Amino acid sequence: AQSVTQLDSHVSVSEGTPVLLRCNYSSSYSPSLFWYVQHPNKGLQLLLKYTSAATLVKGINGFEAEFKKSETSFHLTKPSAHMSDAAEYFCVVRISNFGNEKLTFGTGTRLTIIP
Amino acid sequence: GAGVSQSPSNKVTEKGKDVELRCDPISGHTALYWYRQSLGQGLEFLIYFQGNSAPDKSGLPSDRFSAERTGGSVSTLTIQRTQQEDSAVYLCASSSTSGLSTDTQYFGPGTRLTVL
Repeated sequence: AQSVTQLDSHVSVSEGTPVLLRCNYSSSYSPSLFWYVQHPNKGLQLLLKYTSAATLVKGINGFEAEFKKSETSFHLTKPSAHMSDAAEYFCVVRISNFGNEKLTFGTGTRLTIIP
Repeated sequence: GAGVSQSPSNKVTEKGKDVELRCDPISGHTALYWYRQSLGQGLEFLIYFQGNSAPDKSGLPSDRFSAERTGGSVSTLTIQRTQQEDSAVYLCASSSTSGLSTDTQYFGPGTRLTVL
């Protein structure tokens, strides 16, 4: 079984300050981990993914995430928030096992940027 | 190139009617997924196709829901006798997976279904 927990349903930060969106996972197998972003009235867009290579993953728009196996975490960070970062962010764990794919989404974190 | 497309973008229907939602995956992608995004429920996996077969149907919420994929390309999600709790955004994604969990899924814009 696998699960994803996004610890904060809503995060507010001021423009120009750091962003931290937290994600913890559990999985019986070696997972792939993803962060997706969904802007209002837009589809889901891939920010970055971890695929058992480098544990620090850099994505688009200045976001990065670090895979920490000991902590079963994959937190998303950005050094300096921009107004355009306001969106919903989803942490995702994916298992591929004997041809079966299973994608489990976190419940999402809504990021608000304060001008 | 063209991404995943879904139609219609919006669908309003009356309770008890049947609806069909369509997904056109990225050309050449063998895997196709359906998800549902409900208010307060987050994203929910419904069904996964590899080619035309669906090895995992575990996410379909009831027997009113069915999906098919023909020709290894277009997929249709059908909801029979719609209920108000079916109101949600239905998302489709595709990937070029060959069974590797590293393959990225690309999402369509979704179909917003409203059941009155």
